[in-house]
Amino acid sequence: SYVLTQSPSVSVAPGQTARITCGGNNIGSKSVHWYQQKPGQAPVLVVHDDSDRPSGIPERFSGSNSGNTATLTISRVEAGDEADYYCQLWESRSDKGVFGGGTKLTVL
Amino acid sequence: QVQLVESGGGLVKPGGSLRLSCAASGFNFSDCFMTWVRQAPGKGLEWISIISGSGDSMYYRDSLKGRFTISRDNAENSLYLQMNSLRVEDTGVYYCTAASDGGNIRSAFDSWGQGALVTVSS
Repeated sequence: SYVLTQSPSVSVAPGQTARITCGGNNIGSKSVHWYQQKPGQAPVLVVHDDSDRPSGIPERFSGSNSGNTATLTISRVEAGDEADYYCQLWESRSDKGVFGGGTKLTVL
Repeated sequence: QVQLVESGGGLVKPGGSLRLSCAASGFNFSDCFMTWVRQAPGKGLEWISIISGSGDSMYYRDSLKGRFTISRDNAENSLYLQMNSLRVEDTGVYYCTAASDGGNIRSAFDSWGQGALVTVSS
């Protein structure tokens, strides 16, 4: 089965840039989506189809996808960005949805 | 606006059954793929199952196939998850999600319900 690998945690100071990666075999050929989940809340879509932002999501959130790594970049990090972030895609070979294990972003 | 409201969660004994429902509003329900996602306590998100807008196509997580059944009633704008032979490890919050822009099976889950808690315990 297809596996998406995320680092368990990332820490960054306010105002700095956070990069959260999602590794997978030839992931660059697939459409990757990113979700933010704060404690006790349902996830929220922050980036879809590698690099598109839903309405209402700040421009500080951006995405890229190439080769074996997809990346969610959060610029000018704020305290309110502290959350768990999950990558996700549809794996067409097996007809399954797949989530990465999640990355906890800590704002120092 | 898009709204997804789950119901039917609760406490059930191992081996028991439960049916989750999700009432959808604010979008063209019959045009959209719908997905169930779950989250065990303190753990990450886990994809469970997806169903096409027409209800003709369904796909499942391998470990759940045969125990869980996804279905929908487009006349009632409702999504369901029938869960049988429940195990302790099925405990968690179950989310109803939608690709509410009417995209394809690869589309993102742009809308989520608040979640339904399922507890499997003796």
